[in-house]
Amino acid sequence: KQEVTQIPAALSVPEGENLVLNCSFTDSAIYNLQWFRQDPGKGLTSLLLIQSSQREQTSGRLNASLDKSSGRSTLYIAASQPGDSATYLCAVSPYNTDKLIFGTGTRLQVFP
Amino acid sequence: DAGVIQSPRHEVTEMGQEVTLRCKPISGHDYLFWYRQTMMRGLELLIYFNNNVPIDDSGMPEDRFSAKMPNASFSTLKIQPSEPRDSAVYFCASSQGLAWETQYFGPGTRLLVL
Repeated sequence: KQEVTQIPAALSVPEGENLVLNCSFTDSAIYNLQWFRQDPGKGLTSLLLIQSSQREQTSGRLNASLDKSSGRSTLYIAASQPGDSATYLCAVSPYNTDKLIFGTGTRLQVFP
Repeated sequence: DAGVIQSPRHEVTEMGQEVTLRCKPISGHDYLFWYRQTMMRGLELLIYFNNNVPIDDSGMPEDRFSAKMPNASFSTLKIQPSEPRDSAVYFCASSQGLAWETQYFGPGTRLLVL
């Protein structure tokens, strides 16, 4: 059974810091891995999608990497801003299923 | 497009009452998903549809939960009778083509069962 774990569960950093969020999964048989952002009281917004054949994806200050063989992904946020404060979730798409399996998320707070 | 639309945004009801949550997916999307989010269990997939047909309902917690998709632009999730442990945020999401492509989430319905 695929399990997705995110560390740390919560993170508080001062504005301007570069930071890394971690995601690990137990079964490497996946189509892709996605990172989502969830603001309080809101739905999820897809940030980056990495196909299983890819190593990384970048969007602005965000960079996500994927090491499928070791079951790990990282989301790197450069020069963090208070507006980055949210919960970040990773999710994998296992083979032979149309489902997404979500991690429990990392709650990020960036203070001025 | 307005994105995925869910109603109501908040629902407070008493134990034993019927609750109906509604979802309008993004036009042209073939897949529709219902999720439940709680502090204890995180985000769980309840059921999903492809072209209005339920594909996998293995996440539906029990027979009190049912979901329908009568057409491509509307889906309902019904709880009857509701119980306090059903209190959660329920999300609807849709995607185009293959289900493992980007899913677009609605704002959610926050349900409180007293």
